[in-house]
Amino acid sequence: DGGITQSPKYLFRKEGQNVTLSCEQNLNHDAMYWYRQDPGQGLRLIYYSQIVNDFQKGDIAEGYSVSREKKESFPLTVTSAQKNPTAFYLCASSMYRDKGAANYGYTFGSGTRLTVV
Amino acid sequence: SQQGEEDPQALSIQEGENATMNCSYKTSINNLQWYRQNSGRGLVHLILIRSNEREKHSGRLRVTLDTSKKSSSLLITASRAADTASYFCATVGTYKYIFGTGTRLKVLA
Repeated sequence: DGGITQSPKYLFRKEGQNVTLSCEQNLNHDAMYWYRQDPGQGLRLIYYSQIVNDFQKGDIAEGYSVSREKKESFPLTVTSAQKNPTAFYLCASSMYRDKGAANYGYTFGSGTRLTVV
Repeated sequence: SQQGEEDPQALSIQEGENATMNCSYKTSINNLQWYRQNSGRGLVHLILIRSNEREKHSGRLRVTLDTSKKSSSLLITASRAADTASYFCATVGTYKYIFGTGTRLKVLA
């Protein structure tokens, strides 16, 4: 079955530690996105990538980094510079880029819950 | 503040009743989309309505869009316990999505 796989489902991070969240899709989608979700808030865009080897900052990119070396993969690293990383992280993809993505909706993964211990 | 604001924040109804939730936004849009999120899971795309459409149906879902009032509503008819979830609207401009804060729906059996 085609879809987006996020791993791990739960992740615990110690203070000062970098952690990487995995996002893999087999939908052959061009664009991929990372969102952060906090209780009572909507989704906030961290980074997005429209094409391999290219990505752009979203609204809350500070303390995060990404790479897009393969079309299928878009890992997110939460660095020690992110002061409040505890949240639910969602990866999404869309078939097309730019205006095309606007017309077809996103496919989401099941999320990774990150907790600082 | 958020582009999309859902109202109410929480809604509790009996199974079989209809559920209505609303979304208001501030700027012009290309389209508006509704998503469902079950607890601790990702979002699932439900329906997309374009800016030149006024109403759209999909199974038990009915979405309306009033661009003059910058608002949309999602109606779920004959609700079921399985409809218990959070529902988000996403307003889409040229290509950027902005998600609202969601309506938490609880359907009591």
